[in-house]
Amino acid sequence: SQKIEQNSEALNIQEGKTATLTCNYTNYSPAYLQWYRQDPGRGPVFLLLIRENEKEKRKERLKVTFDTTLKQSLFHITASQPADSATYLCALGGGADGLTFGKGTHLIIQP
Amino acid sequence: DTEVTQTPKHLVMGMTNKKSLKCEQHMGHRAMYWYKQKAKKPPELMFVYSYEKLSINESVPSRFSPECPNSSLLNLHLHALQPEDSALYLCASSTEDSYQPQHFGDGTRLSIL
Repeated sequence: SQKIEQNSEALNIQEGKTATLTCNYTNYSPAYLQWYRQDPGRGPVFLLLIRENEKEKRKERLKVTFDTTLKQSLFHITASQPADSATYLCALGGGADGLTFGKGTHLIIQP
Repeated sequence: DTEVTQTPKHLVMGMTNKKSLKCEQHMGHRAMYWYKQKAKKPPELMFVYSYEKLSINESVPSRFSPECPNSSLLNLHLHALQPEDSALYLCASSTEDSYQPQHFGDGTRLSIL
């Protein structure tokens, strides 16, 4: 069965630095991959979707890359701020299939 | 505020009670989902409705009974739950198309006594 992994449970970054989160998958060749943000007590919020034929996608300070050879996606937050502190989830699937989430990375941006 | 509204926000019930969770969206989405999220774990898919028909049931115990009365509403009926069913229950919606994100509500925090 498909498996999706986020290697870091927690990541501490100094404010202003770039945070890089990793998502790896196995037993699957996804057409696209998604990233969500979840704050405590709230539902996940969609951030970015990247297709298999896109190497990179950007939205403001966010950047996602997708390497289908390595079976890996990297999620970057540049010029990080304390307000970026949250849990970030990568997800496979979608449409009528529902999503399969990685375990998430709890990102803490320290002032 | 999210575009997917879930009620109630919190629910405490005994193991013999019957209750229902409700979810509503007015974005015209024809796919709706229930997820279960335990503390410090990711959301796990329970059910998928597509055009008001149940299309996926991820081997969920029968004490959870979903219902989609129309394209805007999704219910989850609960009966004879166990303490391990205590969790955050999230509803989401999306278009039927691929390459589209899901929109989540903020969930119902369920506690089983």
